[in-house]
Amino acid sequence: GQQVMQIPQYQHVQEGEDFTTYCNSSTTLSNIQWYKQRPGGHPVFLIQLVKSGEVKKQKRLTFQFGEAKKNSSLHITATQTTDVGTYFCAGLQNTGNQFYFGTGTSLTVIP
Amino acid sequence: ETGVTQTPRHLVMGMTNKKSLKCEQHLGHNAMYWYKQSAKKPLELMFVYSLEERVENNSVPSRFSPECPNSSHLFLHLHTLQPEDSALYLCASSQVWTSENIQYFGAGTRLSVL
Repeated sequence: GQQVMQIPQYQHVQEGEDFTTYCNSSTTLSNIQWYKQRPGGHPVFLIQLVKSGEVKKQKRLTFQFGEAKKNSSLHITATQTTDVGTYFCAGLQNTGNQFYFGTGTSLTVIP
Repeated sequence: ETGVTQTPRHLVMGMTNKKSLKCEQHLGHNAMYWYKQSAKKPLELMFVYSLEERVENNSVPSRFSPECPNSSHLFLHLHTLQPEDSALYLCASSQVWTSENIQYFGAGTRLSVL
C-alpha cells in the first residue's frame, strides 16, 4: 500500500540554525502538500507542489519536489521559535484522489 | 478559524458509554474526513466521505461508526471504546477533483477513554 515516510522524526536546533525535513513516497505522486501543526493545534496547509523538480519559497521556507515525484523536502533557513511544530507532508497518488500523510517531523527550536 | 468546527473539544468517556463527535464545515467542500492522531504516531485516516458517500474505510474497528447526512456535516459515533482509543480526533474537509484539493482541519476533539 501507499507509504509516505519522513525523516527525521524529531529535530532540535538552536535558534538561527537551518532545518530540513525529507519526505519519501513508495510510489510516484501526482502532487504533494505540506502542513504545519503547532503544539496543541491542528494541521494547517502551507503549500502544494505539482510539477517535477518544482521549487517554491515562502519567506524562510523552501519547498522542493523531486524529479521523479517520489520525494520532497522542506528547508527552513535561520529558524525562529515561531517555527516550532510538527511538519507533515501529504502525497496524492496518481491513481487516486486521497492524500496520504507522512509520519511528520517534530521541530524544537532552542532559544 | 478554518471554517471547520468540531464539537466537543474535549470528551471523557467510560468504556461502556456511547457518544458522538460532530463536525461541520462552512466551506462548501464536497469531501469530509476523520483522522485519529495518537501521541508520537502519524495521522491515521479513518474515514473518507466524498459527495456524501463513504469511499474509504481503513479497517477501522466497528466501535467507530461514521455518519454523513449531508455535505456539511459529519459525525463519528463511538460505543464500547477501549483505553487505546484515547487520542485527538480530527475532522477535515476538502474540495476533491480539483487542483486545490487542500485539507482544512478542525481544532479536533481530545478524547479520553477511562
